[in-house]
This record gives sequence, structure tokens and C-alpha cells, in this order.
Amino acid sequence: QKEVEQNSGPLSVPEGAIASLNCTYSDRGSQSFFWYRQYSGKSPELIMFIYSNGDKEDGRFTAQLNKASQYVSLLIRDSQPSDSATYLCAVPGSARQLTFGSGTQLTVLP
Amino acid sequence: DAGVIQSPRHEVTEMGQEVTLRCKPISGHDYLFWYRQTMMRGLELLIYFNNNVPIDDSGMPEDRFSAKMPNASFSTLKIQPSEPRDSAVYFCASSQGGDSPLHFGNGTRLTVT
Repeated sequence: QKEVEQNSGPLSVPEGAIASLNCTYSDRGSQSFFWYRQYSGKSPELIMFIYSNGDKEDGRFTAQLNKASQYVSLLIRDSQPSDSATYLCAVPGSARQLTFGSGTQLTVLP
Repeated sequence: DAGVIQSPRHEVTEMGQEVTLRCKPISGHDYLFWYRQTMMRGLELLIYFNNNVPIDDSGMPEDRFSAKMPNASFSTLKIQPSEPRDSAVYFCASSQGGDSPLHFGNGTRLTVT
């Protein structure tokens, strides 16, 4: 059983700051990782995925993967109030069925 | 593309009643997943299908839960009889498999009184 752990938060950052969201996983064989964002009352939507060690950048979002430490993080630069949501880390199984962490609730304060 | 379509959006029912949730995946997606989300347990995978065939139903909590996928464009999740602890948001998602992401429907919020 793949396990994914996240700090549940809540995490509050001021507008314009960097928000750092963290996730650890138990299966050393995991090859890829997904970050989903879920606004209150809405469905999860994919914002980033990463396969390789190191950083992957997409606009204001950077995903960081350290396979040796079994650690993946998501950085949001220049945080905006519209980034306020729950962020879910997920690890895929053999058929891309995802095991999700419990999510970190982020609030960006204007 | 209309995305994954779920119905109903909200369902309120009394304990003991049968509940049927419906899902239409994105056309061309070979995989369909049913998830349940609660505050206590987060997003849990209940069952998933590949080419209309159930592959893994180990997440289905009890025999009261059943799921079918009679064709590539339709799936149902049935709870009979329903209980208050079944109250949750049920999501359907589909994907093309491989490295393609999961696309979620808007979910069905189920309340069992």
C-alpha cells in the first residue's frame, strides 16, 4: 500500500510570499508524483507532475523531487489570494490510479 | 469536450434507501475511477475500471457498495442500503492511462439522514 503524508496545515502566507508545501511517500519504487489543487466545494485539478529528481518549473509553480529522501514539494512564488485552496500530493499505481495525501490547506492573506 | 459528467450533483436520502450515482467519462479514456472524499479520510479510491472491466475493487468499503460499467461511456456506483456514514462527496475520474492525468467530475455530494 502506497502511503503519502502531508502536513494538513492550515498554512497561511501573506500575498506575494512563497508558499512551500511538502509531501513524503513510503514506496521507494514510486517514479512520478502529482500535485492537485482543490478549491472549496470543487473537484481536484492537476497543476503539476514531476518524474525526475530536481526541480520542475511551470509559471509561479515549482515542484521539487528528492527520491533519496522520498520527499516532494511544491513552491508557489508570488502567492495570490486566488491560490487559496487545498493542495493534494498524489502517487500513481500501476494503472495511474492515484493515492492521495490528506492535503494541505493554504490561505494567502491579502 | 464536456469533461467527466456526474449526476446527481446532490443527493439527500434516508438511511436504508438505495442510492445510485452516475458517471460519464471523457470519450476515449480507457480508465474510470470512483473516489470518495470525507474530512476524516480524505480522497479514497473505491474501485477502478479498465476498458469497462473492474480491475481493483479493494477500496469498496462493504458489500453494500457495488459498481458497474456496462459500456465505455457510462458507469454507476450503487449503495444499498445506504447508511449515514456513507455521507461524503463521491468523485468519478477518467484517464487515458499511462502518463496522462486523471480528470475529475464535479462530484456528487451524498447526505444520508
